[in-house]
Amino acid sequence: DAMVIQNPRYQVTQFGKPVTLSCSQTLNHNVMYWYQQKSSQAPKLLFHYYDKDFNNEADTPDNFQSRRPNTSFCFLDIRSPGLGDAAMYLCATSRDFRSNTAGEQYFGPGTRLTVT
Amino acid sequence: DAKTTQPNSMESNEEEPVHLPCNHSTISGTDYIHWYRQLPSQGPEYVIHGLTSNVNNRMASLAIAEDRKSSTLILHRATLRDAAVYYCILVSGNTGKLIFGQGTTLQVKP
Repeated sequence: DAMVIQNPRYQVTQFGKPVTLSCSQTLNHNVMYWYQQKSSQAPKLLFHYYDKDFNNEADTPDNFQSRRPNTSFCFLDIRSPGLGDAAMYLCATSRDFRSNTAGEQYFGPGTRLTVT
Repeated sequence: DAKTTQPNSMESNEEEPVHLPCNHSTISGTDYIHWYRQLPSQGPEYVIHGLTSNVNNRMASLAIAEDRKSSTLILHRATLRDAAVYYCILVSGNTGKLIFGQGTTLQVKP
């Protein structure tokens, strides 16, 4: 089945130690998104890629970066994780960005990040 | 981005219909009404979306008010597996972004 895969499902890192989360998709979708979801809160969009074009949300901290080396893969890099970055990180895809199906996104299961 | 208002929580009995309301009085003409749900420890799942007309799919129905300032997600027969947080989200046809509100936590009782 076509899907969005996130690895690992659980990640523990130390305060200040860089960490990378990965996402892959078999849907061949043009758009890939990263969301942060803290405990008991709603998901919050960090940034997205439309093909190779990167779009950062205005309030996303500089500590968060992303790479998309090809259509299938997208990475979230946290350069110096703080305790406040502990959260579930969700990857999502959509077929296109400006269309009547633009809001139809497919989410992965998420990576739960713990910062010690 | 236009905002939505949903009740914090609702309860339903198993096998009964559930009507989840959403108010979006500042909706613009290009905004689509999307519904997602998030089961415990899972990523959000697309449920349904619409623009002006009511919509049906295998998961649910979406009833949209004539003035588009409110909508209702209808689960025809709730099951225990429908217990989740349900998000009503306005998506601009120009951006495609999902801006999540707090959603409605649906509890289904056997």
